[in-house]
Amino acid sequence: GAGVSQSPSNKVTEKGKDVELRCDPISGHTALYWYRQSLGQGLEFLIYFQGNSAPDKSGLPSDRFSAERTGGSVSTLTIQRTQQEDSAVYLCASSLEELAGVTGELFFGEGSRLTVL
Amino acid sequence: DAKTTQPTSMDCAEGRAANLPCNHSTISGNEYVYWYRQIHSQGPQYIIHGLKNNETNEMASLIITEDRKSSTLILPHATLRDTAVYYCIVLAQAGTALIFGKGTTLSVSS
Repeated sequence: GAGVSQSPSNKVTEKGKDVELRCDPISGHTALYWYRQSLGQGLEFLIYFQGNSAPDKSGLPSDRFSAERTGGSVSTLTIQRTQQEDSAVYLCASSLEELAGVTGELFFGEGSRLTVL
Repeated sequence: DAKTTQPTSMDCAEGRAANLPCNHSTISGNEYVYWYRQIHSQGPQYIIHGLKNNETNEMASLIITEDRKSSTLILPHATLRDTAVYYCIVLAQAGTALIFGKGTTLSVSS
């Protein structure tokens, strides 16, 4: 597809279960971001992948959260032992890092809405 | 830290210009100013960015002060569909994460 694709669009899980959220960035985009947005709140940065560099994991709220990006393309965000406070919309974005070193426009997916019961 | 200060909310009448201010007094020489907006229940959308010169595109204009310590996003003829949260972000060169602050909630009314 032409845009950033995220799956699942909605996920309901029970407290304590693990979940995986998937992000397919725009083809050729070298940078990939994960954010989350709780109801009525702003965007919270989670993790940033840029090319072959080590990811910036500074936004991950706990060690229950992890993410990987395989082959420089698809990314998976994993939340282990989910808690009710993990309920949020998880947004993925990708961008093309311009040759001048300027961060390009971020294109966001529609998000994955996670509900932990 | 978002490194920017924006008013929490603003109102604008439909058809009028919306001028959204942003203070970034600690901006460094290599940091750009970016604007995004988020319409309710949608992902954020890029609007415009600039370094020191004023910029204009089909969506908006960005006016950056000469000392670069503040900027203004201008929507020349606001419509109801421009009601959204507008985020001003400063960002250095590629390789650093884009951090969103709380933004300004713009309400456009008829």
